[in-house]
Amino acid sequence: DQQVKQNSPSLSVQEGRISILNCDYTNSMFDYFLWYKKYPAEGPTFLISISSIKDKNEDGRFTVFLNKSAKHLSLHIVPSQPGDSAVYFCAADTDSWGKLQFGAGTQVVVTP
Amino acid sequence: DTGVSQDPRHKITKRGQNVTFRCDPISEHNRLYWYRQTLGQGPEFLTYFQNEAQLEKSRLLSDRFSAERPKGSFSTLEIQRTEQGDSAMYLCASSVRGDTQYFGPGTRLTVL
Repeated sequence: DQQVKQNSPSLSVQEGRISILNCDYTNSMFDYFLWYKKYPAEGPTFLISISSIKDKNEDGRFTVFLNKSAKHLSLHIVPSQPGDSAVYFCAADTDSWGKLQFGAGTQVVVTP
Repeated sequence: DTGVSQDPRHKITKRGQNVTFRCDPISEHNRLYWYRQTLGQGPEFLTYFQNEAQLEKSRLLSDRFSAERPKGSFSTLEIQRTEQGDSAMYLCASSVRGDTQYFGPGTRLTVL
């Protein structure tokens, strides 16, 4: 039962442009959402999070948007840089249990 | 403090053998989590500890799997009678309760 879905397995974007990654969820009990970045042979690295009481959170080049009615969140990276090439995972939590549910990931490639 | 560490980074074993992995969390993080990640998928929750108490186990964690956190610091994950289907990346994460989880680099298990 996949409760968090990332329907785009890959995304290619030019350096300097915006990267938009999407994530959908089915469980309305989720109240905390996170994005992680993962390089090969490394563990996921925390990027940014958002609580369900907000609809936007920004940290430098990274902004996460949450649309609760649509059960949809997105991560915007502006401007994209070559070092952003990685797999990005969306994750969701309920009541701070910490039992994160992850999407399958989106491979981002930033080209010069 | 340099973050979550895991040992070994790679383990190759023959089917039927037992293996044990270790995770050292970030100091003073009272929660410790184990996840498993297979190719093309996001991490899947296995189990977690709050201090030395194991609070939840996933249905993915068969009877061949056991995890401990004896003194509320490091944790071990043991797999008995390994099967080829156990081949995966085993990830450990830690957090202060209700806060962001930080992941270690993972242990890649290959069962021949």
